[in-house]
Amino acid sequence: AQSVAQPEDQVNVAEGNPLTVKCTYSVSGNPYLFWYVQYPNRGLQFLLKYITGDNLVKGSYGFEAEFNKSQTSFHLKKPSALVSDSALYFCAVGMDSNYQLIWGAGTKLIIKP
Amino acid sequence: EAGVAQSPRYKIIEKRQSVAFWCNPISGHATLYWYQQILGQGPKLLIQFQNNGVVDDSQLPKDRFSAERLKGVDSTLKIQPAKLEDSAVYLCASSLDPISTEAFFGQGTRLTVV
Repeated sequence: AQSVAQPEDQVNVAEGNPLTVKCTYSVSGNPYLFWYVQYPNRGLQFLLKYITGDNLVKGSYGFEAEFNKSQTSFHLKKPSALVSDSALYFCAVGMDSNYQLIWGAGTKLIIKP
Repeated sequence: EAGVAQSPRYKIIEKRQSVAFWCNPISGHATLYWYQQILGQGPKLLIQFQNNGVVDDSQLPKDRFSAERLKGVDSTLKIQPAKLEDSAVYLCASSLDPISTEAFFGQGTRLTVV
């Protein structure tokens, strides 16, 4: 069965510091991995995805994520955090053998000035 | 490109009443999703359409929830009768295909059942 875990409910980072939001997954085949962001009172927005190819994926707003097959992880990273990055971040995983996309519970990212 | 349109943005109803939500996906997107998001939780898929056919409705409480996507474009989600625990944000999303392309989300409808 597919599953995805975001082990941290909340991540606190000082502005200008690097940030990491963790995501691990479990699938029986090749995964499709996504990161979405939800700003307060706004809908979910796509950040980046891994389907195949280069393990390091670059996305919107300076974010990137690294697909690590051996550790079954897809952590979201940014070299220098901005206060405006404060939001709720969701990791999601799918497989090409079915149409289901499984969502993590979300991680609240707080960037302090 | 126009985004996913949803209406209404907010709705307050009493328990046991009925309510309907409307979604207009991005033109050309074959896949349409309805999600329920309870405060503090991740989105929960209620139903997924591929064109006008249902791909997944395994988590849809079919005794009270129904959804349709006529002509493979617009979609409506109905709750009848509503319960207090249905209070949530209902998100509609669409994508070009079911898995490998990203989903675009509407602003959502915030439902409060009192």
